[in-house]
Amino acid sequence: AQSVTQPDIHITVSEGASLELRCNYSYGATPYLFWYVQSPGQGLQLLLKYFSGDTLVQGIKGFEAEFKRSQSSFNLRKPSVHWSDAAEYFCAVGTYSGGGADGLTFGKGTHLIIQP
Amino acid sequence: EAGVTQSPTHLIKTRGQQATLRCSPISGHTSVYWYQQALGLGLQFLLWYDEGEERNRGNFPPRFSGRQFPNYSSELNVNALELEDSALYLCASSDRDRVRNEQFFGPGTRLTVL
Repeated sequence: AQSVTQPDIHITVSEGASLELRCNYSYGATPYLFWYVQSPGQGLQLLLKYFSGDTLVQGIKGFEAEFKRSQSSFNLRKPSVHWSDAAEYFCAVGTYSGGGADGLTFGKGTHLIIQP
Repeated sequence: EAGVTQSPTHLIKTRGQQATLRCSPISGHTSVYWYQQALGLGLQFLLWYDEGEERNRGNFPPRFSGRQFPNYSSELNVNALELEDSALYLCASSDRDRVRNEQFFGPGTRLTVL
């Protein structure tokens, strides 16, 4: 069965510092990978996705992620965080059954705190 | 273009009652997914509807059910509510390119069971 692990429950970063959020997945086939962000009381917003091709993908809000098949990882990075980046971040893998895409399998999330 | 909409925003019920949550997908999207986000349990896949049919469900009891209407909107019904059903219920939609599984989420319905 597929699974996603986000090892860090909480991360605290100073404003202006760089950020890396870790994500490891387990899935038998070629994964479709996603990072979502959730602000308090809000739904999920897609930051970026990996389907195939270039393993470094660019997303919105200055985020990027690198797919490393050998490490089963899809870590999210940002060179300089802003206070507005404080939120919950979820990594997810797309799974498939029958004739098409199935529900996403999410990690438990990483809560990002930004220090002034 | 309007995003995924959900109603109501908040819903308060008591144990044993039934709850009905509604979702309208993005125009042109045919698939609707439901997720439960309960405290401490993370985001869990509940149900997937496509073209009016239930295509798959997560590890939830049968009292969680739903349907998809001809206009692709969807309802999630939770019968015999239990306290642990208190959660944020998120709906997502995707288009016919379902292989890539890119889903767009609504703001959610906060269900509180007293």
